[in-house]
Amino acid sequence: AQTVTQSQPEMSVQEAETVTLSCTYDTSESDYYLFWYKQPPSRQMILVIRQEAYKQQNATENRFSVNFQKAAKSFSLKISDSQLGDAAMYFCAYRSAWGSGAGSYQLTFGKGTKLSVIP
Amino acid sequence: NAGVMQNPRHLVRRRGQEARLRCSPMKGHSHVYWYRQLPEEGLKFMVYLQKENIIDESGMPKERFSAEFPKEGPSILRIQQVVRGDSAAYFCASSPSQPGTGELFFGEGSRLTVL
Repeated sequence: AQTVTQSQPEMSVQEAETVTLSCTYDTSESDYYLFWYKQPPSRQMILVIRQEAYKQQNATENRFSVNFQKAAKSFSLKISDSQLGDAAMYFCAYRSAWGSGAGSYQLTFGKGTKLSVIP
Repeated sequence: NAGVMQNPRHLVRRRGQEARLRCSPMKGHSHVYWYRQLPEEGLKFMVYLQKENIIDESGMPKERFSAEFPKEGPSILRIQQVVRGDSAAYFCASSPSQPGTGELFFGEGSRLTVL
């Protein structure tokens, strides 16, 4: 079974600075997706960024970028020019590209990192 | 284009009562997932359904919990004889096809409080 580990329960960053959130995962599969989801106090799960494992190029979305190291099974999220609205729980998630034996494509989540942004 | 709709947003039940949570997937989506989030925890997979079929219920507790996704109408997660430990946020997600873009689209969640 796949596992996702986020080793930083809490992080803080000064407004306008850069912060990196860590994520490692364990899998025997070669084809999969990795995601970062943001959960603000409203509790809505919002997709921040997605990475396909077969793509070597790191995904970027405006101020958000990832450092995907497939061999090391590492998938960190970098937030540049942090804003007050970035304060939230951030969850790293894994999803198989082909599903388990039951045909499921469930997401496996880490426990999350709570990010605080200091004005 | 409406997103994933969940209702009720908040539900309070006394121990022993039944809770029913509803989820309407995004238009054109036929795959539905239910997740549970306990306080200070990540989301845990419960069940994956397609229309009229349960595909994977490996995360569902064996007793008191059931889910369905009928041909017509929303998906329903049913919890019978609720206990305090069932208090959590329950999220529904949908996707149009597998594996598609890989992304699941989440609703805003239903928060169940058991007194």
